[in-house]
Amino acid sequence: GENVEQHPSTLSVQEGDSAVIKCTYSDSASNYFPWYKQELGKRPQLIIDIRSNVGEKKDQRIAVTLNKTAKHFSLHITETQPEDSAVYFCAASNYGGSQGNLIFGKGTKLSVKP
Amino acid sequence: DTAVSQTPKYLVTQMGNDKSIKCEQNLGHDTMYWYKQDSKKFLKIMFSYNNKELIINETVPNRFSPKSPDKAHLNLHINSLELGDSAVYFCASSQEGLSNSPLHFGNGTRLTVT
Repeated sequence: GENVEQHPSTLSVQEGDSAVIKCTYSDSASNYFPWYKQELGKRPQLIIDIRSNVGEKKDQRIAVTLNKTAKHFSLHITETQPEDSAVYFCAASNYGGSQGNLIFGKGTKLSVKP
Repeated sequence: DTAVSQTPKYLVTQMGNDKSIKCEQNLGHDTMYWYKQDSKKFLKIMFSYNNKELIINETVPNRFSPKSPDKAHLNLHINSLELGDSAVYFCASSQEGLSNSPLHFGNGTRLTVT
């Protein structure tokens, strides 16, 4: 089955700096890669996703890159703000099989210091 | 927005008891899930349910039984609760196994077994 590794487990940056979180996956059939943000005591919420037919996607300060050959994908947050502080999860799925079960990485706790 | 709603929000109970968590989604999705988030924030899928087909994660004890009266509801019943069952349980839904929509989470149920 799919296995997703996520690094780092914690990340501390100064406000205005960039933050990068990296994930690798094991199943070459995976074709959907979302990123979720979970604030303390709240539910995970989708912030951006990418499907395997594209290599990069950007939404304002957030971007995701995908390298299918190397089986890794990354989240980039530019101009970080204190409200970006949260736990971020990457995930992978083969939505053509296994009814699209998302397998999550173990999360990265991002702290943005003002 | 309460597109995926689950009750109760908090559940405190003693070892050996039987309890249920209810989940309802009003998004018209055809697939529903239960995820467990442990104290280390690791999100792990327990079940997915699509068109009356249940996919069970092999690592889930058979004390956990999902029940789906219709495609808008997926309840979770837990028998003989153990201390290790303490966690936050998230219900989620998607359309066509993620091929047409991302995963939407409920607000979670924090289960504490004493």
